[in-house]
Amino acid sequence: SAVISQKPSRDICQRGTSLTIQCQVDSQVTMMFWYRQQPGQSLTLIATANQGSEATYESGFVIDKFPISRPNLTFSTLTVSNMSPEDSSIYLCSVVVSGETQYFGPGTRLLVL
Amino acid sequence: AQKITQTQPGMFVQEKEAVTLDCTYDTSDQSYGLFWYKQPSSGEMIFLIYQGSYDEQNATEGRYSLNFQKARKSANLVISASQLGDSAMYFCAMREGPSGTYKYIFGTGTRLKVLA
Repeated sequence: SAVISQKPSRDICQRGTSLTIQCQVDSQVTMMFWYRQQPGQSLTLIATANQGSEATYESGFVIDKFPISRPNLTFSTLTVSNMSPEDSSIYLCSVVVSGETQYFGPGTRLLVL
Repeated sequence: AQKITQTQPGMFVQEKEAVTLDCTYDTSDQSYGLFWYKQPSSGEMIFLIYQGSYDEQNATEGRYSLNFQKARKSANLVISASQLGDSAMYFCAMREGPSGTYKYIFGTGTRLKVLA
């Protein structure tokens, strides 16, 4: 497995502002993902964070709203831009270390007022 | 169409009893993986158990076992000797796609409540 940390663990933000979430892994990983979990819902994949290139976004998610950076194999950021209350969710990063098992960070709880 | 179906939104089990959480899946891939995760109220996603599509034996991890019935496309999670700390949301997930381009699909989850 891997030790994955996320910052911040939670935040309360005003609508119209942006928040950047960091994901740090204790080892180099090839695959890294960002998910959103809206209240009472399952996980929805936002994008695959690609090292050194643009992220691959899922249908319904766009780079202008959720810009992602991945400068190396151990770190990635997700920005939630121009936030609205509908963006209130848990945001999770995950990695595949070896094989195909996905491990998750502790999540970032975001509340937008 | 749902690729991962969890038909039990909520389940109750008495402490020390066994419980089965249902999961069916739909894929045309020959190679795929099936996973179960636990999400306590804290929000973290905890990996529990994995079953590969070519594995002939059912996976086991401590008190967790995965009842894999390939022909029926089911991958039920069995928790033996339930504990109060098992109360949480449980998600079934499936990995599709070739290595390097994996996609993971999650079910809607089952909320398990263990009763004292």
